[in-house]
Amino acid sequence: EDQVTQSPEALRLQEGESSSLNCSYTVSGLRGLFWYRQDPGKGPEFLFTLYSAGEEKEKERLKATLTKKESFLHITAPKPEDSATYLCAVQTVYNQGGKLIFGQGTELSVKP
Amino acid sequence: DSGVTQTPKHLITATGQRVTLRCSPRSGDLSVYWYQQSLDQGLQFLIQYYNGEERAKGNILERFSAQQFPDLHSELNLSSLELGDSALYFCASSPGQGKSYEQYFGPGTRLTVT
Repeated sequence: EDQVTQSPEALRLQEGESSSLNCSYTVSGLRGLFWYRQDPGKGPEFLFTLYSAGEEKEKERLKATLTKKESFLHITAPKPEDSATYLCAVQTVYNQGGKLIFGQGTELSVKP
Repeated sequence: DSGVTQTPKHLITATGQRVTLRCSPRSGDLSVYWYQQSLDQGLQFLIQYYNGEERAKGNILERFSAQQFPDLHSELNLSSLELGDSALYFCASSPGQGKSYEQYFGPGTRLTVT
């Protein structure tokens, strides 16, 4: 069964304290891995897509990387406005259509 | 703003009732996806339509149905509502079957069943 596991469930950082969020996946064939940011009560906001092991993408203080078993979202010198839940999701090549299978998310809190 | 719109934003109804949630995809997107988000289950895929045709189904209850119209907007119908159906319902859209697999989510409809 295709599965996505995110850790930690919650992460508290001080402003400027860099860290990483983990997304482990077990799928029959990966088409793509996606990172989203979700603020409370709002829809997920697309951040990155990674397609193959070794790929990296960056956006402001965020950098996403991908291996054959997991992905990391690195947050460099975070600010309070980076506080949100970060969701990881996968698409598999064997699923009809393009449904996303989501992890439970990591709730990030950045204190000033 | 993702370009995906959903109405209504909030919906409060009683058990046993039926409701319709509406979604308009981003301009040019042919695929529409529906997801349910609850505290204990996280984001769960319900159903996908592509250019008017059902493309994939997740763990969607038989009491739930959806359709995509010729103008590409989609509606999710929930009937015989139960307390456990209270959740956030999101619609997402993507260009279609090609390389661009990113899905862009709408703001959601918060359904409360009392």
